[in-house]
Amino acid sequence: GAGVSQTPSNKVTEKGKYVELRCDPISGHTALYWYRQSLGQGPEFLIYFQGTGAADDSGLPNDRFFAVRPEGSVSTLKIQRTERGDSAVYLCASSLGPGDTDTQYFGPGTRLTVL
Amino acid sequence: AQKVTQAQTEISVVEKEDVTLDCVYETRDTTYYLFWYKQPPSGELVFLIRRNSFDEQNEISGRYSWNFQKSTSSFNFTITASQVVDSAVYFCALSEAGSNYQLIWGAGTKLIIKP
Repeated sequence: GAGVSQTPSNKVTEKGKYVELRCDPISGHTALYWYRQSLGQGPEFLIYFQGTGAADDSGLPNDRFFAVRPEGSVSTLKIQRTERGDSAVYLCASSLGPGDTDTQYFGPGTRLTVL
Repeated sequence: AQKVTQAQTEISVVEKEDVTLDCVYETRDTTYYLFWYKQPPSGELVFLIRRNSFDEQNEISGRYSWNFQKSTSSFNFTITASQVVDSAVYFCALSEAGSNYQLIWGAGTKLIIKP
């Protein structure tokens, strides 16, 4: 079946602009996670959704970052007033349940470059 | 404190050699899960294995095997008879009941298999 998909695959923007990154999880998966991966490092947790609600947003670096999942499926990560330090690969993962026993499956990521 | 430590930044071996990737973790939870993911040059994270804290049995899957030892807080990964296609960055990760099961990642080990 279809895996996690993310769009766009690449996004280049200028400092100060607003960007939206989209994640389409595996059908039927109720849990959705966003991570950020900088070059040469492991992914870093940003936010976790269970259904429509953000169950844990403790990883969002500041209030420029926001994510929604209005219908419990597709999620959008929104970054306002982008900074060069936001450049990274943004990864989305989904799992069947709330995460305690279910494996997270990852999308291909969106590479964000802020000039 | 680093919760997941992958001390080997890069390993290079010749094809057909066996290679072991080390992972040491730290947690106070009694219920937790350990994972290995593979990230080939294409960038997508591929799930390899999940182990829960109550199951210390070693696992073998083809050329891959995993050694989980709670006494040393380690979850090492061995590839037997390595192949060029095994070249990738391998990540060890931990999820804890007390952290909403978000994945906490090691820094990764880059494995290079030379023909």
